[in-house]
Amino acid sequence: DAEITQSPRHKITETGRQVTLACHQTWNHNNMFWYRQDLGHGLRLIHYSYGVQDTNKGEVSDGYSVSRSNTEDLPLTLESAASSQTSVYFCASSPGLAGGSTQYFGPGTRLTVL
Amino acid sequence: AQSVTQLGSHVSVSEGALVLLRCNYSSSVPPYLFWYVQYPNQGLQLLLKYTSAATLVKGINGFEAEFKKSETSFHLTKPSAHMSDAAEYFCAVSVTNTGNQFYFGTGTSLTVIP
Repeated sequence: DAEITQSPRHKITETGRQVTLACHQTWNHNNMFWYRQDLGHGLRLIHYSYGVQDTNKGEVSDGYSVSRSNTEDLPLTLESAASSQTSVYFCASSPGLAGGSTQYFGPGTRLTVL
Repeated sequence: AQSVTQLGSHVSVSEGALVLLRCNYSSSVPPYLFWYVQYPNQGLQLLLKYTSAATLVKGINGFEAEFKKSETSFHLTKPSAHMSDAAEYFCAVSVTNTGNQFYFGTGTSLTVIP
């Protein structure tokens, strides 16, 4: 079955370190998204991509970057981790650009920055 | 701009009682509306979505929601709560002229009392 996976599921790192979170989907969806989930804020969009070589900033993109070199993967990089980036990160994908296109979510990565 | 308000960050119901989770949206163009459920330590799973067809939408696990344009609402209901319904519920809005970007509410945590 097609799926979307994230790795690692849990990560502890130190302030200032570079961290990369992986996201891989086997649906062959063009669109991929990264969100962070924080208590009281719901899910907030970090970055998104509508296809290979396409990346766009979301609502809370400062301190994060993404690159899209193939359809299946959209890794999220924290250039210099900060304690404010302690959060649960979700990757999602969707097949179309229409507003009604469902987004399918991965299981999440819990990141702790000490 | 699009936004979603979920009234009540915590809702408690007795097993067998009616579940009502509230969602109001703001959108200057016709919206697409979604309800997702998140079980502990898992990703988000689609419950149902409204895409401008029938205003009463039926989803999985006995949930349904009604789109009311005049009230800008999309409340989620279930006639009889089960213990297994205990989870976090998120409402989201999307519109076609912003690609497939979703705007999420802050979530409602549902507790089911035996």
